[in-house]
Amino acid sequence: ETGVTQTPRHLVMGMTNKKSLKCEQHLGHNAMYWYKQSAKKPLELMFVYNFKEQTENNSVPSRFSPECPNSSHLFLHLHTLQPEDSALYLCASSQAGQGNTIYFGEGSWLTVV
Amino acid sequence: DQQVKQNSPSLSVQEGRISILNCDYTNSMFDYFLWYKKYPAEGPTFLISISSIKDKNEDGRFTVFLNKSAKHLSLHIVPSQPGDSAVYFCAASAHTSGTYKYIFGTGTRLKVLA
Repeated sequence: ETGVTQTPRHLVMGMTNKKSLKCEQHLGHNAMYWYKQSAKKPLELMFVYNFKEQTENNSVPSRFSPECPNSSHLFLHLHTLQPEDSALYLCASSQAGQGNTIYFGEGSWLTVV
Repeated sequence: DQQVKQNSPSLSVQEGRISILNCDYTNSMFDYFLWYKKYPAEGPTFLISISSIKDKNEDGRFTVFLNKSAKHLSLHIVPSQPGDSAVYFCAASAHTSGTYKYIFGTGTRLKVLA
């Protein structure tokens, strides 16, 4: 069982839908991340939360809205997405600070139709 | 501008031989480097890491080498096994603007031939 759990694993949504991706980490970490992986592109950092506070927004469009209610949970709210937003969305966590390993969930495959 | 680069998109190696995966970076502020392995439809799995104060770290069949002057790191897998066939990502982290960011390369697909 992975220490970082993501749901749903697969999501198909229309461009006018509102949906959310959920992430939960059981590792006692205090930093959480959203990454996007598109075909033939590097993993793109989207958001970083340290101790529930957003410390990084990597120029992500506002149709992606993160929420971090506590250090164990992270959400990505999705609204009026575009087909090019179809990708694998990966949640990760780590201890905040230098020299710490980041651990990933299994990812949520998103298809926007 | 891609700060972490893996210039070989794919690599094929015979079972039992050494696999060498390479990674280059441009930001001299990176102080911690990691390698991940990814199977299709799964999240990346941590393999091995190295701090910028070291030039080598070994864990079983996996060894990571860091050449800071060349801004280059490599992952050696010896001996390679068919189960090692996967996409390998290198990542680098640095402390910027009050947070630690992990930047990933594009990955190298390793195929180990039986």
